Amino acid sequence: AQSVTQPDIHITVSEGASLELRCNYSYGATPYLFWYVQSPGQGLQLLLKYFSGDTLVQGIKGFEAEFKRSQSSFNLRKPSVHWSDAAEYFCAVGLNQAGTALIFGKGTTLSVSS
Amino acid sequence: KAGVTQTPRYLIKTRGQQVTLSCSPISGHRSVSWYQQTPGQGLQFLFEYFSETQRNKGNFPGRFSGRQFSNSRSEMNVSTLELGDSALYLCASSRGDRGGQETQYFGPGTRLLVL
Repeated sequence: AQSVTQPDIHITVSEGASLELRCNYSYGATPYLFWYVQSPGQGLQLLLKYFSGDTLVQGIKGFEAEFKRSQSSFNLRKPSVHWSDAAEYFCAVGLNQAGTALIFGKGTTLSVSS
Repeated sequence: KAGVTQTPRYLIKTRGQQVTLSCSPISGHRSVSWYQQTPGQGLQFLFEYFSETQRNKGNFPGRFSGRQFSNSRSEMNVSTLELGDSALYLCASSRGDRGGQETQYFGPGTRLLVL
């Protein structure tokens, strides 16, 4: 069965430091992978997605993610974190090519310290 | 362009009752997906409707049902409410017909409390 694991429940990073959020997936075929962010009181917003092609995907707000098939991973990175990045981050795998049926990980809460 | 709207935003019901939640997608979007978000289980996919037909279904009991109208608006119904149904219910819309080019846009959610 398809599943997504985000091993880190909570991460604290200093403002200006780099960030990497881990995501591992289990999926039989070529996965369609997504990262979403949810800020308090805000809806889920798509940061980036991978469907095929270049394994390094650029997203909004300076985020990028790298698809590594051999490690079944799709880690999210940002070179320099801003206080406004504090939020909950969700990795997801699509059950269909349309990306309209998603299996989400449990999420990682990011706190940013000054 | 208006975003995804969900009504009502907050709802309190008692066990055994039923509830209907509504989702209006972005204009031009024909796909509406529903998700349940709880602290314990996280975000779970309920079902997706595209052009008035259920296209995908998650692993929820039959008490959870949905439908989509010709204007793409969707409703979700939960019958015989249980305490565990207390959650944030999110809907998301997309065009639904562009394969890997899709982006889902999420609404603010309906927070349901079952007492």
